[in-house]
Amino acid sequence: AQKVTQAQTEISVVEKEDVTLDCVYETRDTTYYLFWYKQPPSGELVFLIRRNSFDEQNEISGRYSWNFQKSTSSFNFTITASQVVDSAVYFCALSEADGNNRLAFGKGNQVVVIP
Amino acid sequence: DAGVIQSPRHEVTEMGQEVTLRCKPISGHNSLFWYRQTMMRGLELLIYFNNNVPIDDSGMPEDRFSAKMPNASFSTLKIQPSEPRDSAVYFCASSLGQGARSGELFFGEGSRLTVL
Repeated sequence: AQKVTQAQTEISVVEKEDVTLDCVYETRDTTYYLFWYKQPPSGELVFLIRRNSFDEQNEISGRYSWNFQKSTSSFNFTITASQVVDSAVYFCALSEADGNNRLAFGKGNQVVVIP
Repeated sequence: DAGVIQSPRHEVTEMGQEVTLRCKPISGHNSLFWYRQTMMRGLELLIYFNNNVPIDDSGMPEDRFSAKMPNASFSTLKIQPSEPRDSAVYFCASSLGQGARSGELFFGEGSRLTVL
């Protein structure tokens, strides 16, 4: 069984502050894929990043960065110098290689950036 | 390029009525997913097609739900009869390759269903 836990339901930050979203996953597979998606108020789901289990290299894309640590089964997401446009729900998701390609989502983190 | 197109964007219906949601995946994508989003249960995978063939429908709630993909450019999700607890946002997503592990899923804007 696969499981994704995003413990923080709602996070409020003042503009320009950094915010880190925690994602902890559970899987018995050695090959798996981790994703982050953004859901802005308009409702669509926007792909942010995909990582496979063999690639623990951290990644930075503009103000976004991701920290993948297999030792703690975590794939955390940091927004640096937050902006109002970052206000959204952010979902972490897991797909196991042998799991019929199910993309299992966490409950999401509601991020509110206060101007 | 057009993304995943879903219709209708909003549907309000009465309990017992049939509801049909439609999805046009991105051209060339061979995997299609139907997800349901509710406050209580979050995002749940209902069914997944690969090359128009249903691969995993274990997430379909019950017999009232059915999904078809008659060709590579069209899929439907039907609820008959609908119930208030079916109220949710239904997302269609497509990807290139075999399912989620091949890369990113491209989501449509969703169909918001309200069953009174």
